[in-house]
Amino acid sequence: GNSVTQMEGPVTLSEEAFLTINCTYTATGYPSLFWYVQYPGEGLQLLLKATKADDKGSNKGFEATYRKETTSFHLEKGSVQVSDSAVYFCALSALEGSARQLTFGSGTQLTVLP
Amino acid sequence: DTEVTQTPKHLVMGMTNKKSLKCEQHMGHRAMYWYKQKAKKPPELMFVYSYEKLSINESVPSRFSPECPNSSLLNLHLHALQPEDSALYLCASSLRDSNEKLFFGSGTQLSVL
Repeated sequence: GNSVTQMEGPVTLSEEAFLTINCTYTATGYPSLFWYVQYPGEGLQLLLKATKADDKGSNKGFEATYRKETTSFHLEKGSVQVSDSAVYFCALSALEGSARQLTFGSGTQLTVLP
Repeated sequence: DTEVTQTPKHLVMGMTNKKSLKCEQHMGHRAMYWYKQKAKKPPELMFVYSYEKLSINESVPSRFSPECPNSSLLNLHLHALQPEDSALYLCASSLRDSNEKLFFGSGTQLSVL
């Protein structure tokens, strides 16, 4: 079946540091890839997405590139802020049986210190 | 309006109680979802409604009963829950049931005593 593997957290960074959260996937066919973010006490929000190989998704200074050759979709940001502290989930959408299903990674807790 | 609204935000119930969680969206989305999320874990899919019909039930116990009265509303009826059912219950919607972009509500934090 389909699966997503994220780097283990928690991750603690100082403000303005560079962020990378690794994500690799296993899927049949041609999955779409997503990063969702969950701030404390809230639901998940779509941060960015990519629907085909070599696509780059970007939003709010975050970027991720769909790499089919390495089955990866790593999240990066050049300079993090305290307000980026949240849990980040990598996810894929692909056929599971007869329907497209969204499969989440385990999540990575990010804490940014001032 | 790009919101999914869930009520109540918090709920405490006993194992013999009956309660309902409510979810509403006015984005014209035709797919709606219930997820269960335990602390520090990813959301787990429970149910999917597509065009107001139940299309996916991920082997959820019958003490959870979903209902979709119309295209904007989704309910989750709870009865005889167990303490291990305590979790954050998230509602989501998408334009179609292709799961390409989900909009999530803020969730109902449920505690079963």
